[in-house]
Formats: sequence, C-alpha cells, structure tokens
Amino acid sequence: DAKTTQPNSMESNEEEPVHLPCNHSTISGTDYIHWYRQLPSQGPEYVIHGLTSNVNNRMASLAIAEDRKSSTLILHRATLRDAAVYYCILRDNVYGGATNKLIFGTGTLLAVQP
Amino acid sequence: EPEVTQTPSHQVTQMGQEVILRCVPISNHLYFYWYRQILGQKVEFLVSFYNNEISEKSEIFDDQFSVERPDGSNFTLKIRSTKLEDSAMYFCASSERASSYNSPLHFGNGTRLTVT
Repeated sequence: DAKTTQPNSMESNEEEPVHLPCNHSTISGTDYIHWYRQLPSQGPEYVIHGLTSNVNNRMASLAIAEDRKSSTLILHRATLRDAAVYYCILRDNVYGGATNKLIFGTGTLLAVQP
Repeated sequence: EPEVTQTPSHQVTQMGQEVILRCVPISNHLYFYWYRQILGQKVEFLVSFYNNEISEKSEIFDDQFSVERPDGSNFTLKIRSTKLEDSAMYFCASSERASSYNSPLHFGNGTRLTVT
C-alpha cells in the first residue's frame, strides 16, 4: 500500500483556519485520498475524500496538488470540537481487486486553543 | 443520522476466558469490519466481512478470533481464549458498498476490552 506522511502534531487557535498537510509521493493513479479523524475516546470518523479535483463538504475542504503527490485538509474555522487525530489514507479504487480495508498511520494530532 | 452501535462499552475478562464483542452495523450496509487500537498505538485492521464470509484478515486475526453475523443485524467478534495482549479498544465499522465505490467506513465508538 502506498504510504502517507503527516506531521505528528499541529496547533491552531479557535475560529482560525487550519491546513493539515499530507505527503503521498508514491500514490498510484487509482488511489483515492481519504481523510478520517478520531476524537478523544471515539472511533474514527470519515471526513472527506478525493481523487484529483479539490473537494468540499460540510466538514472540510480537500486540496489536492496537481501531481497528486500531496494534499491538504482544510478546516475553515477550527472549533474546540475539532481537536482530534487526523488521518490521511490512500485507498485503492481498482474495482473487483481492491481490498476494502483502510490502513491507518499515526496521523496528525491537532490541538485547538481557545 | 444512522450509526454503528457497539456493546458493551467496556468488558473486563480474565486471561483464558472467551469474550464476544457485539456490533449493530448501519442497516443497509453490506461490508463489515473489525479494527483494534491498543492504548497509544495505531488503529489496526483485523478483518473484513461480506456476504457472510471473511473477505480479508490481517496477521493479528489468528485462530483465536472469529466473526459472525448471526441474525442479519448483529456482527460479532469472538476471542476464544483471551490473552493479556488482547487488551485494546475494538472498533466495529460498516460501509454501504465496496471500496471501488469509495464508500466511507462508519465506525462505532468501540468496546474497551481489559484482560486481567
């Protein structure tokens, strides 16, 4: 499985934007970029995913580099509730041959200061 | 919004005992998973299940582990003879469709298993 690299930790202030980077230089053409997060004492939670184009949903935006070797998860206004570990995961999209599993790395621990 | 529910939230057992962890996936989902997270470590894949059979399992998922979907709504993980190193948070997850459709996984909030 292609590997992702994320900073171990980041800090943000409440109500400010947060940009969480992820490097995935060995990404293949069929890999989608997924982001999950894990709040304290909870299970992982899906945030967003994309292939090539930037994506927006109610939780966040995903900016994908043109060469797809990196991406950035953007939280537009961080709240205290956004303090969590954020995981960037590559998931193969080859129909019929792909595993369904997600492989979690160590992620980025985001601290949000009031 | 529908969610994955897991019971119990905390299970304490003695080494060598059997435990069954229970999960109710989201009702229209077809793919089911178990993950575990030892305290302070990564979330690790254990097994995926589709169409009443295991579709993939990790090296962790040895003969001591089994999964079952006994009645069309529950999805269970059984550990036959627990070891101290089985102490972890166990997460159940489900997804509507296969990864080829990029169907996201929905996770429960876990069962904390403590083996003494």
